[in-house]
Amino acid sequence: AIRMTQSPSSFSASTGDRVFITCRASQDIGSYLAWYQQKPGKAPKLLIYAASTLQSGVPSRFSGSGSGTDFTLTISCLQSEDFATYYCQQYYNYPFTFGPATKVDIK
Amino acid sequence: EVQLVESGGGLVQPGGSLRLSCAASGFSFSSYHMNWVRQAPGQGLEWVSYISSSSLTIYYADSVKGRFTISRDNAENSLYLQMDSPRDEDTAMYYCARDRSSGWPGVFDIWGQGALVTVAS
Repeated sequence: AIRMTQSPSSFSASTGDRVFITCRASQDIGSYLAWYQQKPGKAPKLLIYAASTLQSGVPSRFSGSGSGTDFTLTISCLQSEDFATYYCQQYYNYPFTFGPATKVDIK
Repeated sequence: EVQLVESGGGLVQPGGSLRLSCAASGFSFSSYHMNWVRQAPGQGLEWVSYISSSSLTIYYADSVKGRFTISRDNAENSLYLQMDSPRDEDTAMYYCARDRSSGWPGVFDIWGQGALVTVAS
């Protein structure tokens, strides 16, 4: 199975900050990467797929980049509603695998 | 409104059985591939199983292969997960999730609210 890693595992930030979350795959997955946001007690929400395509309805302050094995989720101007946990996920092949998560909390 | 609603969760003994259901509404269920994804308490997300729109293609995570069975009834707009011989480590919130595209699978754009399964004696 393809192993996904994320960094950092957690960090604190302030509203208005530009933040970066990185994700690495254990092998080349092309652009078959998605990002999800999850808030406590809620189901995950799709943010980005195909590494850089914004899901409909997701604010444009979210963006994704990368291909192959290294990917980045960028939030250009952190808003209060963005404090949450973020997961990357590869869908290059089965089993689909998720990263271990990055938790963003308030500084 | 596009919606997925899981039911059937609860307490099950190790070695017992439990069937989860997921009712879909607001979209053409028969046109979409579907999945189950789980999340153990305080842990990350784990994909469990996939079923194509026609039920012709099915995949399982190694952790549940041979014990869980995914199925669907397109006439009833419903997805199922039969959990046989569950283990303590199967304790989790189980989400049904829709595949975004009828093409390359694996992007989950609609999620249910989850059904909590607790495996304990």
